Amino acid sequence: DTGVSQDPRHKITKRGQNVTFRCDPISEHNRLYWYRQTLGQGPEFLTYFQNEAQLEKSRLLSDRFSAERPKGSFSTLEIQRTEQGDSAMYLCASSLGSGQYNSPLHFGNGTRLTVT
Amino acid sequence: GEDVEQSLFLSVREGDSSVINCTYTDSSSTYLYWYKQEPGAGLQLLTYIFSNMDMKQDQRLTVLLNKKDKHLSLRIADTQTGDSAIYFCAESTGTGNQFYFGTGTSLTVIP
Repeated sequence: DTGVSQDPRHKITKRGQNVTFRCDPISEHNRLYWYRQTLGQGPEFLTYFQNEAQLEKSRLLSDRFSAERPKGSFSTLEIQRTEQGDSAMYLCASSLGSGQYNSPLHFGNGTRLTVT
Repeated sequence: GEDVEQSLFLSVREGDSSVINCTYTDSSSTYLYWYKQEPGAGLQLLTYIFSNMDMKQDQRLTVLLNKKDKHLSLRIADTQTGDSAIYFCAESTGTGNQFYFGTGTSLTVIP
């Protein structure tokens, strides 16, 4: 169990550029979550997958955001045409779940995005 | 999302006990969690409690749950400087698929 890993740890980009982040969950976990965290706030839910299916998306996830988990293992989160308001820590978490049961979330160390 | 509220700051002396409080609104919460976040890092799971329990102890950590008042607390015994961090309370809903987090309590331990 190597834990949840995220790449890159930090990303600085100019407004209008596209960025993509990667998350590798704990290998036996079938659920994968993306959260966004801004300074002084708790994590805010963006979206989650069960295996390769994206089951829920938050209203926070605008059309510029897209997430994929093509083979039910790693996931990518892409932000197109970045805006300064996208600057935040993007956290990935995974869990083992079935129906209404969910094991606790295990988080990666996040990707800190700065849009200049 | 559901409302999960915490006080923002707590300061204690090294060796004292810390008590971090949390209130939530969703009566269908199944599990409640405490996470710790150190600067620049993700959230580390500390402990969690099933909603039909009222207490759980794990070494220096004691979780108390008052389901009637929707109040959760985390007590850290013999607080150390390494305990300085932000502590988040979280709940998972009746469907089990969503987790809602509080805004975090910043704990400062004074040597």
